[in-house]
Amino acid sequence: DTGVSQNPRHKITKRGQNVTFRCDPISEHNRLYWYRQTLGQGPEFLTYFQNEAQLEKSRLLSDRFSAERPKGSFSTLEIQRTEQGDSAMYLCASSLQTADTQYFGPGTRLTVL
Amino acid sequence: AQSVTQPDIHITVSEGASLELRCNYSYGATPYLFWYVQSPGQGLQLLLKYFSGDTLVQGIKGFEAEFKRSQSSFNLRKPSVHWSDAAEYFCAVGRGFGNEKLTFGTGTRLTIIP
Repeated sequence: DTGVSQNPRHKITKRGQNVTFRCDPISEHNRLYWYRQTLGQGPEFLTYFQNEAQLEKSRLLSDRFSAERPKGSFSTLEIQRTEQGDSAMYLCASSLQTADTQYFGPGTRLTVL
Repeated sequence: AQSVTQPDIHITVSEGASLELRCNYSYGATPYLFWYVQSPGQGLQLLLKYFSGDTLVQGIKGFEAEFKRSQSSFNLRKPSVHWSDAAEYFCAVGRGFGNEKLTFGTGTRLTIIP
């Protein structure tokens, strides 16, 4: 069990650019979650998958955001036309469908200049 | 809609002193409650969780929490803090079995002084 991994750990980009983050869950976990955490706030739910199906999306996930989990393993979160307000820590978590605990990765810190 | 309130943004305690971090929740059904800890540069680590049964739950690192339905509270306690406990602490309420959306509070930053 190597835990949840996220890449890159840090990303600096200019406003208007597109960025993509990757999350690799714990290998046997079929649920995968994305959260966003801004400075001084708790994590906010964005979306979650069961296998490759996206089961729920938050209103926070605007049209510029898209998440995929094509083979039910790793997931990507893409932000198009980044804005300064997108600067945040993006956290990924995974769990078993039948279990109650979400295990979090270290996060990807995005800075939009 | 579910929500969590952590009234204390920042708490400072002396090493060896006792600690209590407050958490109030709002949820329409039986709540699934969690406490997570986040150290700088680290992901969130689960300290403990409550679903049902005994309202006093034990977690890792010597932490415990008590669920009080009448007060909609789930306060975190530790009898004697260590310098390594300095971190950000988040209370969360989970929909479903805790394996769906989690709603977090804004967190309490804990500082330990010698």
